[in-house]
Amino acid sequence: AQSVTQPDIHITVSEGASLELRCNYSYGATPYLFWYVQSPGQGLQLLLKYFSGDTLVQGIKGFEAEFKRSQSSFNLRKPSVHWSDAAEYFCAVGGTDKLIFGTGTRLQVFP
Amino acid sequence: DVKVTQSSRYLVKRTGEKVFLECVQDMDHENMFWYRQDPGLGLRLIYFSYDVKMKEKGDIPEGYSVSREKKERFSLILESASTNQTSMYLCASSHPRLTGGFYEQYFGPGTRLTVT
Repeated sequence: AQSVTQPDIHITVSEGASLELRCNYSYGATPYLFWYVQSPGQGLQLLLKYFSGDTLVQGIKGFEAEFKRSQSSFNLRKPSVHWSDAAEYFCAVGGTDKLIFGTGTRLQVFP
Repeated sequence: DVKVTQSSRYLVKRTGEKVFLECVQDMDHENMFWYRQDPGLGLRLIYFSYDVKMKEKGDIPEGYSVSREKKERFSLILESASTNQTSMYLCASSHPRLTGGFYEQYFGPGTRLTVT
């Protein structure tokens, strides 16, 4: 079955610290992979995407993600978190039509 | 930039009322989607549409219907609202050919619906 797992419901980091949000997927074919961010009361904004090529992809706001086929993972990273990064983050996988979303990871940033 | 707009940010309705949630996109996207978002459950697909007058059931279509009479507009209808339909509703659109086949979706700001 197709699925996305984000094992961390809630993560707290200090401003300036590094961040890694985990995402594991199960998908029968070559997946399209996405990370979205949702600020409070807002819709989802695309951070980055991967389909093929270089397994390390760069996105907006200084985020990057690495696709590891052997681990079925697509973890999101940022070397230094800013207070404005506090939000909910969703990983998604899809093929030619629908996207399947994870349940999200809420990031809290302390000054 | 792609813009997806939703008719209301907040909506309060009574049990049994018929509710219309409207979504409009301005980039000639073919695909449109309705999701509901609940804490701990992420986004769940209600219905989607590949073209005008076409619709496909998503994962949780029960209690909902949709209408797509024009390419830019996709409406979600709650025929008889119930309290368990209190949720955040998100609309999205995509156009694979325009985005190089990535099928990325662009989202509206959401409608927070409360059914009392």
